[in-house]
Amino acid sequence: GAVVSQHPSRVICKSGTSVKIECRSLDFQATTMFWYRQFPKQSLMLMATSNEGSKATYEQGVEKDKFLINHASLTLSTLTVTSAHPEDSSFYICSASPLVQSYEQYFGPGTRLTVT
Amino acid sequence: GNSVTQMEGPVTLSEEAFLTINCTYTATGYPSLFWYVQYPGEGLQLLLKATKADDKGSNKGFEATYRKETTSFHLEKGSVQVSDSAVYFCALSDIGGYQKVTFGIGTKLQVIP
Repeated sequence: GAVVSQHPSRVICKSGTSVKIECRSLDFQATTMFWYRQFPKQSLMLMATSNEGSKATYEQGVEKDKFLINHASLTLSTLTVTSAHPEDSSFYICSASPLVQSYEQYFGPGTRLTVT
Repeated sequence: GNSVTQMEGPVTLSEEAFLTINCTYTATGYPSLFWYVQYPGEGLQLLLKATKADDKGSNKGFEATYRKETTSFHLEKGSVQVSDSAVYFCALSDIGGYQKVTFGIGTKLQVIP
């Protein structure tokens, strides 16, 4: 149980285009979903936290207009990288938590974004 | 702010060797501590956790003890297997109802037959 999927697993796009990444909780309802970014040989950095039906809370330094997050249902959150540039190339990982105020997070397999 | 420091890899061990991956943390208050594992091509999985000082988390032969006095949470296993090859992340989360997790850099473990 507690499986989180991400789609796509890899995506290559041209500079200036937008890319949408989906995060789904397959067998539970996720009150809260998190989006992380991981650079090579670096740790996971939290980008934003989203609760179903409300606006996402972004971490300091993360551009909310560039990284659009939508958490429209209890099983789906999307991250859209708008007007992507090569520096946005990274590994994006989502996680989902089934309960409010729970430390349990279940992670997706990640999405490798390459912007050319 | 919170931070987690863990040894950089890769760590290469022979099968059945003893494993230690060091992890220290800085936090305000009393965080919960975790070890996550990421197998090749997969997402992060919670390996073990400890929520208060002197707690020992254990799973699949791995252990880690929450040491408040040394602010450490070192991961150990007495006899590693090839299937343990993965990246291991030490992490902490704030207590207080918010699930924000701070991760260490990750340590890649390679176990050779």
